[in-house]
Amino acid sequence: AQSVTQPDIHITVSEGASLELRCNYSYGATPYLFWYVQSPGQGLQLLLKYFSGDTLVQGIKGFEAEFKRSQSSFNLRKPSVHWSDAAEYFCAVGARLGTYKYIFGTGTRLKVLA
Amino acid sequence: GAGVSQSPSNKVTEKGKDVELRCDPISGHTALYWYRQRLGQGLEFLIYFQGNSAPDKSGLPSDRFSAERTGESVSTLTIQRTQQEDSAVYLCASSLVFSGGAGAETQYFGPGTRLLVL
Repeated sequence: AQSVTQPDIHITVSEGASLELRCNYSYGATPYLFWYVQSPGQGLQLLLKYFSGDTLVQGIKGFEAEFKRSQSSFNLRKPSVHWSDAAEYFCAVGARLGTYKYIFGTGTRLKVLA
Repeated sequence: GAGVSQSPSNKVTEKGKDVELRCDPISGHTALYWYRQRLGQGLEFLIYFQGNSAPDKSGLPSDRFSAERTGESVSTLTIQRTQQEDSAVYLCASSLVFSGGAGAETQYFGPGTRLLVL
């Protein structure tokens, strides 16, 4: 069955440290891949997306993600985390899966230490 | 409007009562989606609309859940005879283009309605 896995429920990093949030998917073909961020009290906001082409995609707020077909992964990275990055991050797969669906991962909650 | 809006922002109801949740998508967005987010869990797809097209209801968890959309505008999600397990944040999203077969759309999310069933 198609699925999206975010293996880390919580991650804590110090401000200024680098960050990598993991996302693995299971799908029969290359799906469309998204990362969204949900800040406290706010709706989800798109960080970046991958459709095709260059496997390293740049997003807003200094985030980037790399699509690795061989690993079925789409990990999100940021070289230097800011306190304002504390939020919940969701990886999502968009594809025709029987009927149209988006599948979201369960999210990774990021805590940033001052 | 500037973004997707949802109302009410919070709703507390008693078990067995019906509730209606409203979503106003971004003007001009043809596709509209409803999701449920239970505490500590990811987003669960419920239903989508493409303009006036019949919705994909495959994600609705039971026949107590239904949704309507007027043209390419407002949508209402109705939960009948609410149960405690319906407590969650209900998120609405809209997108500009629906490719009809590939999940390529960027979805713009509203702030959600937090539903608590006592």
